Amino acid sequence: DAKTTQPNSMESNEEEPVHLPCNHSTISGTDYIHWYRQLPSQGPEYVIHGLTSNVNNRMASLAIAEDRKSSTLILHRATLRDAAVYYCILRDSIIQGAQKLVFGQGTRLTINP
Amino acid sequence: NAGVTQTPKFRILKIGQSMTLQCTQDMNHNYMYWYRQDPGMGLKLIYYSVGAGITDKGEVPNGYNVSRSTTEDFPLRLELAAPSQTSVYFCASSPSGAGLGYTFGSGTRLTVV
Repeated sequence: DAKTTQPNSMESNEEEPVHLPCNHSTISGTDYIHWYRQLPSQGPEYVIHGLTSNVNNRMASLAIAEDRKSSTLILHRATLRDAAVYYCILRDSIIQGAQKLVFGQGTRLTINP
Repeated sequence: NAGVTQTPKFRILKIGQSMTLQCTQDMNHNYMYWYRQDPGMGLKLIYYSVGAGITDKGEVPNGYNVSRSTTEDFPLRLELAAPSQTSVYFCASSPSGAGLGYTFGSGTRLTVV
């Protein structure tokens, strides 16, 4: 199973950009890179995903290295509401079409006012 | 649009008791999942289903059972509750198709005493 490595914690200031790194050196050619976040006392929330090209949506941007062995989630202007645990996840395996997402420890992001 | 609804939100069980955690989704997703999250840890997959009548074990299935009689509902049954099953349980669903995201419920916090 392809694994990801993320820093345990990061800290940033409100209204500044945040770059959350993720290493996935054993990624396979068909693995999608997913990012989820979990706010305190809530279930995980989908943020963004990509395969090879950089991706943007209303929540964040995902920058994927050319060799796909690492990626970076970018929050362009962090707010206090972005304080959460961020999970970088590779699609584990496909059995009958299901995506079994395997969660690691994630990065706990603290935003300072 | 309710998304994924879990009931109850909180429950205290005595050792040896049984209960069913309910999960319903209104997005017509084929795939549904049950995860548990122990304090300070990531999510671990208990069971998943790729459609009505089809279920399979995840990473930590012991002590649990599931059924999927309809597309909407995916209940998780705990038989003979044990303190090791004290956790927060999350249900999730996803549409078919590689690279698509999960929608999670808000969780059930279960304490076994």
